[in-house]
Amino acid sequence: DGGITQSPKYLFRKEGQNVTLSCEQNLNHDAMYWYRQDPGQGLRLIYYSQIVNDFQKGDIAEGYSVSREKKESFPLTVTSAQKNPTAFYLCASSMSWANEKLFFGSGTQLSVL
Amino acid sequence: KNEVEQSPQNLTAQEGEFITINCSYSVGISALHWLQQHPGGGIVSLFMLSSGKKKHGRLIATINIQEKHSSLHITASHPRDSAVYICAAGTGNQFYFGTGTSLTVIP
Repeated sequence: DGGITQSPKYLFRKEGQNVTLSCEQNLNHDAMYWYRQDPGQGLRLIYYSQIVNDFQKGDIAEGYSVSREKKESFPLTVTSAQKNPTAFYLCASSMSWANEKLFFGSGTQLSVL
Repeated sequence: KNEVEQSPQNLTAQEGEFITINCSYSVGISALHWLQQHPGGGIVSLFMLSSGKKKHGRLIATINIQEKHSSLHITASHPRDSAVYICAAGTGNQFYFGTGTSLTVIP
């Protein structure tokens, strides 16, 4: 079945630690996105990638980094510079960057120990 | 003020009731999405609209571009419809998301 796989489902971060969230898609989509969801707030865009080897900052990129070395993979690293990392992180993809249907993964809940 | 506002925030209905969730937006858009998020967090895209009306099973989505308003209707609601429904409006890769409407359908 085609889709987006996020792992792990739950992740715990210690103070000062970098952690990486995985996002893999087998839909052959060019565009991929990372969103952060906090209680009572709408999803906010962290980073997006329109095509492999390219990515752009979203609205809340500070404290995060990404890479897009392969079309199917778009990992997100939450660095120690992100002072409030506890949130639900969602990865999404679309066939292209323009007005296409969004497909979402099942999310990763990140908490700070 | 948020670019996308949804109402109501919470909604409880009896099984079989007709349900309407509203979405108003203040930005220029080329598309609007209705998303469904179940407990556990995964999100499914229900509709993508740029004009008019779409129907899928018991779900109907409409959009009025002039009034910057969209509605999601659920006919003959069922407990399995219980979820958070999210409106997202935008253009290209810049979407603004509403805070969601939490729907509970009671048997």
